[in-house]
Amino acid sequence: SQQGEEDPQALSIQEGENATMNCSYKTSINNLQWYRQNSGRGLVHLILIRSNEREKHSGRLRVTLDTSKKSSSLLITASRAADTASYFCALDDKIIFGKGTRLHILP
Amino acid sequence: KAGVTQTPRYLIKTRGQQVTLSCSPISGHRSVSWYQQTPGQGLQFLFEYFSETQRNKGNFPGRFSGRQFSNSRSEMNVSTLELGDSALYLCASSYWTSGYEQYFGPGTRLTVT
Repeated sequence: SQQGEEDPQALSIQEGENATMNCSYKTSINNLQWYRQNSGRGLVHLILIRSNEREKHSGRLRVTLDTSKKSSSLLITASRAADTASYFCALDDKIIFGKGTRLHILP
Repeated sequence: KAGVTQTPRYLIKTRGQQVTLSCSPISGHRSVSWYQQTPGQGLQFLFEYFSETQRNKGNFPGRFSGRQFSNSRSEMNVSTLELGDSALYLCASSYWTSGYEQYFGPGTRLTVT
């Protein structure tokens, strides 16, 4: 079974800046999901993108999917302190999570 | 709608014992998945149940088992506990089995001494 691999493992940026993290995988997928986990709210679903979609937006979140490169990126614009969390990608119904990207927003 | 609930929230057990964790999914959700989260291994998929049938299974030893009841509530059992089983066990429910977002519970923190 495959696992999504998030990159970078950790990221620290100033509040207000944009944060980008990536997820790569090895075999074909039907959909890819991004989740966020912080101590206050547990694991929360952010966005789902299907294999026939290239880009999706939700508020300050923008997700892209490149099936030819087998990769997805999550962009968080105008970051806030509340965005400090670990971010995971999940693949298909196999629900294989990577180890996540730890994002820290500096005041 | 009430969210996913897990009981107990915290548990301390001794090596060799067994433990049963419970998960109540969101009303109307038929798929329940279990995950183990540790600092070293991250989030690892244990198994998924749908309509009382195990649909997917991760790479965990047979000591880890689960079941789902007709009301979609699920239980996870770990027998002959080992120190390495100390982890946060998360349960997630979904309306269907694929292509739907999962809603996670707060988790059960299991400590094995």
